[in-house]
Amino acid sequence: QKEVEQDPGPLSVPEGAIVSLNCTYSNSAFQYFMWYRQYSRKGPELLMYTYSSGNKEDGRFTAQVDKSSKYISLFIRDSQPSDSATYLCAMSYDTGNQFYFGTGTSLTVIP
Amino acid sequence: ETGVTQSPTHLIKTRGQQVTLRCSSQSGHNTVSWYQQALGQGPQFIFQYYREEENGRGNFPPRFSGLQFPNYSSELNVNALELDDSALYLCASSLVSHYEQYFGPGTRLTVT
Repeated sequence: QKEVEQDPGPLSVPEGAIVSLNCTYSNSAFQYFMWYRQYSRKGPELLMYTYSSGNKEDGRFTAQVDKSSKYISLFIRDSQPSDSATYLCAMSYDTGNQFYFGTGTSLTVIP
Repeated sequence: ETGVTQSPTHLIKTRGQQVTLRCSSQSGHNTVSWYQQALGQGPQFIFQYYREEENGRGNFPPRFSGLQFPNYSSELNVNALELDDSALYLCASSLVSHYEQYFGPGTRLTVT
């Protein structure tokens, strides 16, 4: 079983839709949770960084962590064509030195 | 504040050769991590350097080695290249090992 599971998609939505991206994980010791956006053939760009459970909002993006279910989500409101990219979740232990990544979900927002 | 930079952008090598990839960390960051990202996959952790010492290693063979310099820039060296080493190699810097990591644009390595 992989440490982090992520549905690869692809996911296609109309402009303005609310997008929900999700990851599950197996190790309850994960404490730090991140979402990255990666455009084709580019490096990942950090979108959200959260510690432990709860919600965090930044503009059109909301990150949720449910540690009891070992489940994290990223919501994108009012999606735009420029949001078309691959979204990667990542997590690390409390004192860990490596991030464990999901395989990424490919998102296309259609104008 | 400058971001993470990597060089070269692209590289083509032959199986059995050796390669060195370079990374300059974001200003103020003393921790550098290297990842390998195969096509269609998430990044896989290779190793991390903190204050010039290796600070953790993923499931990669010893032919993957690295260095960190006093200015916190870093190198990734891969010996005896194999076809499966073809990937995007990403460098990420952070203030502390488990804090948010900021990635560079990557070096795309093709082994023929």
